[in-house]
Amino acid sequence: EAGVAQSPRYKIIEKRQSVAFWCNPISGHATLYWYQQILGQGPKLLIQFQNNGVVDDSQLPKDRFSAERLKGVDSTLKIQPAKLEDSAVYLCASSPGGTAEGNRNEQFFGPGTRLTVL
Amino acid sequence: QKEVEQDPGPLSVPEGAIVSLNCTYSNSAFQYFMWYRQYSRKGPELLMYTYSSGNKEDGRFTAQVDKSSKYISLFIRDSQPSDSATYLCAMSDVFGNEKLTFGTGTRLTIIP
Repeated sequence: EAGVAQSPRYKIIEKRQSVAFWCNPISGHATLYWYQQILGQGPKLLIQFQNNGVVDDSQLPKDRFSAERLKGVDSTLKIQPAKLEDSAVYLCASSPGGTAEGNRNEQFFGPGTRLTVL
Repeated sequence: QKEVEQDPGPLSVPEGAIVSLNCTYSNSAFQYFMWYRQYSRKGPELLMYTYSSGNKEDGRFTAQVDKSSKYISLFIRDSQPSDSATYLCAMSDVFGNEKLTFGTGTRLTIIP
């Protein structure tokens, strides 16, 4: 089974520039998550999709961050304009979704995109 | 106060030693407790999953949860150099584990 794919793996931009990250979840996984992991910290959830609908975006800085999951499969996360404090690893994860009895609903993470804002 | 506290380390131990990693938390609603392992430049991978209080063993790994003390632990027996990684605790109060709150991670190095 192929894992969660992300691209690019690394990106260096200057502040005030725009950047976009792409994620392809595990086939059949209904739920997709974007996390931000700042160096030395644990991942922080930015946005959660169930199929192509947003379930939780309460921690997404909506003035500069946007995300979409067209057709309920791939997803893109965009930052415009970037700030120095956006330097982090952006992790995409997917899970089967659903709350059936006994469903552990494990989240599977991609390798992440390491963003450096200069 | 952070919802989940975890000693960031770094922690270095000789090969074969028993490793103890710990997290404390403040939200009494957390019911599901996980340990993730994250190798350098990789995404986290689920290592152990526990529901409510108690112990769970999987090979060289044992997870303990003490909800009365709001304290969870991961023990690694007979540690190997391949165990060198960052270990993240994560917790959820939602059935289906959809809202995870992570600790900051402990960086562990096993010295051959």
